[in-house]
Amino acid sequence: SAVISQKPSRDICQRGTSLTIQCQVDSQVTMMFWYRQQPGQSLTLIATANQGSEATYESGFVIDKFPISRPNLTFSTLTVSNMSPEDSSIYLCSGAVTANTGELFFGEGSRLTVL
Amino acid sequence: KNQVEQSPQSLIILEGKNCTLQCNYTVSPFSNLRWYKQDTGRGPVSLTIMTFSENTKSNGRYTATLDADTKQSSLHITASQLSDSASYICVVSALANAGKSTFGDGTTLTVKP
Repeated sequence: SAVISQKPSRDICQRGTSLTIQCQVDSQVTMMFWYRQQPGQSLTLIATANQGSEATYESGFVIDKFPISRPNLTFSTLTVSNMSPEDSSIYLCSGAVTANTGELFFGEGSRLTVL
Repeated sequence: KNQVEQSPQSLIILEGKNCTLQCNYTVSPFSNLRWYKQDTGRGPVSLTIMTFSENTKSNGRYTATLDADTKQSSLHITASQLSDSASYICVVSALANAGKSTFGDGTTLTVKP
């Protein structure tokens, strides 16, 4: 299995500020994704992090709110910008070893609380 | 629209008992189905992954079944332990699209002593 590390594991932030979450994966991972999991709900895909280029965002998520970088194969960041209490969620970094097997490996998640 | 429905939404059982969780899906074209276990405050961990040609797969006390004709899957947990208390999520992927997986809402299992 692939190893995926995220930080911070949790944070409490003030409304209007921004937070950047970092994700480090081991070299087996070829595809990286960012998910959001709101309280009591399942996971929703935010975007696919593309190495060296702009991320591919899902419907309802925009780059201005969730800028994502992936400067190399094994590292990505997700920024939650201009936060509001509605952004309080768990943000999960995920990786797939190959595109077609479908097996996703997840980090431990970053629990964000916005006051 | 691709959908994954899980039942029951929540389940409480006594330690040592068996239980079965259900997953129905309408994802097409089908590539694979995965069951994940998510402990509170942790990321999901893969339990099993099954492709179209597989109809059962085991991982210790966890056994998953897949009926691709009826588009149903089940996760059977044998001799439950307190540590099995978690959310179990069924995830289905369409062909050639690992990232575009459809997630079920999960079944929350509580195992009581």
